[in-house]
Amino acid sequence: EAGVTQSPRYAVLQEGQAVSFWCDPISGHDTLYWYQQPRDQGPQLLVYFRDEAVIDNSQLPSDRFSAVRPKGTNSTLKIQSAKQGDTATYLCASSDRDQDTQYFGPGTRLLVL
Amino acid sequence: GQQVQQSPSSLVLQEGENAELQCNFSSTATQLQWFYQSPGGSLVSLLSNPSGTKHTGRLTSTTVTKERRSSLHISSSQTTDSGTYLCAIGGSGGSNYKLTFGKGTLLTVTP
Repeated sequence: EAGVTQSPRYAVLQEGQAVSFWCDPISGHDTLYWYQQPRDQGPQLLVYFRDEAVIDNSQLPSDRFSAVRPKGTNSTLKIQSAKQGDTATYLCASSDRDQDTQYFGPGTRLLVL
Repeated sequence: GQQVQQSPSSLVLQEGENAELQCNFSSTATQLQWFYQSPGGSLVSLLSNPSGTKHTGRLTSTTVTKERRSSLHISSSQTTDSGTYLCAIGGSGGSNYKLTFGKGTLLTVTP
């Protein structure tokens, strides 16, 4: 069974540029999570979906970040006008509503100069 | 919101020694997971242990829910155990939940 896949694996931007991250969850998993992990910190939840619906986006900086999951499968996280403080690894995870375990992708490492 | 404190922040062992990692959390949690994060960044779930004691391979986790603490014991450490160990808790009902992570313990095992 294929795991969670993410792309790109790395991104380097100048401040003010935009970037999109893509996540393909494990087939059949109805819940998808996006986390931000700054260097030397634990992951922090940004947003999560059940199917195509946003369940909680309270930690998503809504002025510059957006996330969609239009068909309840793949998801895209976008940063408009990136700032140096956005430098972090962005992790995607998925889970099945009948299980507790979240399965993580390899992450996208973002550097904003 | 929920807070998770992990100790020690880093630990250096010689191969064959045992490791004891601690996790303390601020409020009642119905879910508790230990994760391993490799130096390359990939995160893998090791154990789900909201209460009691659970074993898998060389890992033993003990969670005392009333005292809001959990430990992860790694026996006979190997160099391949090097990486960051993260504790995460979740408190909402149902199968899908929000995880709050600690900052992790960086383990280095030397030959």
